[in-house]
Amino acid sequence: ETGVTQTPRHLVMGMTNKKSLKCEQHLGHNAMYWYKQSAKKPLELMFVYNFKEQTENNSVPSRFSPECPNSSHLFLHLHTLQPEDSALYLCASSQRQGPTYEQYFGPGTRLTVT
Amino acid sequence: KNQVEQSPQSLIILEGKNCTLQCNYTVSPFSNLRWYKQDTGRGPVSLTIMTFSENTKSNGRYTATLDADTKQSSLHITASQLSDSASYICVVSFNTDKLIFGTGTRLQVFP
Repeated sequence: ETGVTQTPRHLVMGMTNKKSLKCEQHLGHNAMYWYKQSAKKPLELMFVYNFKEQTENNSVPSRFSPECPNSSHLFLHLHTLQPEDSALYLCASSQRQGPTYEQYFGPGTRLTVT
Repeated sequence: KNQVEQSPQSLIILEGKNCTLQCNYTVSPFSNLRWYKQDTGRGPVSLTIMTFSENTKSNGRYTATLDADTKQSSLHITASQLSDSASYICVVSFNTDKLIFGTGTRLQVFP
């Protein structure tokens, strides 16, 4: 285990539903990340939080809403998603934001939008 | 355009054999390069990280090489095991905080 947990591991939701993904890290890190991984495509960085402040939003549609109440927890709130949003959503953490700090990934949430 | 390309897209080998995965990048300015292993249904796990001045680094049966002049890296797996079946992702960082991910090589090891 990497010290990063994600729940739920699998989620099926309709386009009109509202759901949330949760990520928790037990590593004492200060930076947390949300990634989207679609089949046969590179990981796409969605959001970055450094010391609870959002430092990056890679033009993510507003139907994805992140929340970082503290350095250990990260949420991704979902509403009115589209079928093309079906993917593996990965959370990661690192000691601080920056390329020299290794990112530790959670197991991911497999999301299916019907 | 900053890109990371990996080859082959997929690879099948027999248990016990060696294999080499390739990563070419056009990222500039270069900061470091990582190889990750991602098992099916799991998050990526770091295997190695190399900076500009390093040209080889090993982690058990995994050996990564880096040629910063030609902007190429390889990951060599020695004496493959069934547990090596996974996707291997090359990640290059540039500037101060950006990561560029490759699409990965899917390796299958058969008995």
